[in-house]
Amino acid sequence: NAGVMQNPRHLVRRRGQEARLRCSPMKGHSHVYWYRQLPEEGLKFMVYLQKENIIDESGMPKERFSAEFPKEGPSILRIQQVVRGDSAAYFCASSPDGGGNEQYFGPGTRLTVT
Amino acid sequence: AQSVTQLDSHVSVSEGTPVLLRCNYSSSYSPSLFWYVQHPNKGLQLLLKYTSAATLVKGINGFEAEFKKSETSFHLTKPSAHMSDAAEYFCVVSVGGASYGKLTFGQGTILTVHP
Repeated sequence: NAGVMQNPRHLVRRRGQEARLRCSPMKGHSHVYWYRQLPEEGLKFMVYLQKENIIDESGMPKERFSAEFPKEGPSILRIQQVVRGDSAAYFCASSPDGGGNEQYFGPGTRLTVT
Repeated sequence: AQSVTQLDSHVSVSEGTPVLLRCNYSSSYSPSLFWYVQHPNKGLQLLLKYTSAATLVKGINGFEAEFKKSETSFHLTKPSAHMSDAAEYFCVVSVGGASYGKLTFGQGTILTVHP
């Protein structure tokens, strides 16, 4: 049973470009969470999705960031017009359901904005 | 609201000596509590979890943690440190039960193990 898959593992973008980060949850998991780890900071919750639904996006910046989890295919975190402050590690986690059960994390995507 | 405070940003031990990583939590509801470990440039691995069953929780790699409601603590311990334990450790709280499991992370404790 493959774990949570994220790609790409490393992504370099110039200021103003778009970044697309992909996350395939573990088999049988229908809940996906995105977290961001900024340098010198801990992990911060960004968004929680189920298939085709955004459940909680209280941690998402108001502009330029969006997330989706379509019926088919991976979850996508999209960052438009990236700025240097977006440079961070972005982690995806999945769980079979909500309710406080443990979440399984992917290896992360390290985004560098030049 | 929920929060987690890891009391030490860095802990340094010698190989073979005990490890203690301290964590206090705050939660308006009965919490689920977790410890995750992150090795350099890697993802996070679950060490153990507490979800209102036994207060002493055993995890992988010889780690365990004790939930103390009166002290709102969930400290992580290991009797004998190994070099491979060197990593960053995160104490995490979640509002569970009927609600969803949005995780709130502590700031992390970097564990260094000396030979």
